[in-house]
Amino acid sequence: YELSQPPSVSVSPGQTATITCSADALARQYTNWYRQKPGQAPVLVIHKDTERPSGIPERFSGSSSGTTVTLTINGVQAEDEADYYCQSADTSVGDRDVVFGGGTKLTVL
Amino acid sequence: QVQLQESGPGLVKPSETLSLTCTVSNGSISSYAWSWIRQPPGKGLEWIGYITDSGNSNYNPSLKSRVTISLDTSKNQFSVKLNSVTAADTAVYYCAKGRGFSYGMWFDSWGLGTLVTVSS
Repeated sequence: YELSQPPSVSVSPGQTATITCSADALARQYTNWYRQKPGQAPVLVIHKDTERPSGIPERFSGSSSGTTVTLTINGVQAEDEADYYCQSADTSVGDRDVVFGGGTKLTVL
Repeated sequence: QVQLQESGPGLVKPSETLSLTCTVSNGSISSYAWSWIRQPPGKGLEWIGYITDSGNSNYNPSLKSRVTISLDTSKNQFSVKLNSVTAADTAVYYCAKGRGFSYGMWFDSWGLGTLVTVSS
């Protein structure tokens, strides 16, 4: 079970950034997203495909279509520059094997 | 808000055992699932394994033969042991709190991470 992300995405301030995460399995579990700034631990920004934890700005949103989930950041700010990781779980073998995507580096131009 | 703090040696010799402990504060370890995740320098996140509040554990298939995660409810801590380490195990190791077990799982609280270097 693998999750594929684009290595990099670039966007100008104020524009919309979209980061995709594609699963190789038809039966996809819920997907979660994390933001990681240099030298810091990851922070959960979206869980269960679309839900935003408290404290995360409204400009962060998630959506899903088939085996692809998308993280959207509206009105990107300089502080959004970071690595973003999607994460899901493979339950095909009866237990929950956690899987991370390879990460996407978001550059704010 | 629960807080997690990793502790343990920052340097381990090849072929020896890496041991780390995560101390949980502002919350009980007797709920949720508790996980270890690592990140080699300049690379992405890799899940190592988790243990549930009932003591059931599950590990990354690629590490399963070398890793053990345990829970100490009396100290509100959980630990990871990874044996027969090589330079490829050099990474920042994070402990994290897992939620939403019925929906796959997500990690809503993380420790700051601790760098473990494998070198003689």
